[in-house]
Amino acid sequence: EAQVTQNPRYLITVTGKKLTVTCSQNMNHEYMSWYRQDPGLGLRQIYYSMNVEVTDKGDVPEGYKVSRKEKRNFPLILESPSPNQTSLYFCASSPGILARTPLHFGNGTRLTVT
Amino acid sequence: GQQLNQSPQSMFIQEGEDVSMNCTSSSIFNTWLWYKQDPGEGPVLLIALYKAGELTSNGRLTAQFGITRKDSFLNISASIPSDVGIYFCAGQLGRSNTGKLIFGQGTTLQVKP
Repeated sequence: EAQVTQNPRYLITVTGKKLTVTCSQNMNHEYMSWYRQDPGLGLRQIYYSMNVEVTDKGDVPEGYKVSRKEKRNFPLILESPSPNQTSLYFCASSPGILARTPLHFGNGTRLTVT
Repeated sequence: GQQLNQSPQSMFIQEGEDVSMNCTSSSIFNTWLWYKQDPGEGPVLLIALYKAGELTSNGRLTAQFGITRKDSFLNISASIPSDVGIYFCAGQLGRSNTGKLIFGQGTTLQVKP
């Protein structure tokens, strides 16, 4: 089954403790992206990647890192999480040029930072 | 950053009623997309629009790409309980072939049987 898989689905952590949220897609998609969803703010793009070893900042990249060492995986790294990073996170992928190939989303990771 | 203004923020309607929501921006977009998010899941694409003036239907859903390229609307006819969820518009800015996609704030729809 074609899908975008995020892990974990739920995560509670403490301020400053490094964490990684994994994202993997089995559709051989070139484009991958991370979003955070907050009430009243919709989905805001954190980072995206047009292909292996190519990553770019979205609208809210501060406090996050990503890597794209291989096509299928796009982990989101929080080196020193803070409470304002408590949010619902979505990974998404797309076959190619974004305008013509809409996104496939994972089921989300709910992160709480205390 | 760039913003899309989506309205209304929420709607509570009776089953069978029609629904209309829209997105506007001060910027020109070359693509408009409408997504639906069911509880506990990621958004799923409903309709994609690529040309100004384009009107596209998907079952009971109809969406249009505004002539000015700065707005789009989504209509749902004869709503049913499974239409419940959050609806997002999303757009890619004109003259842009980057990977940046901008989402609206979402419209939460509740349908009373």
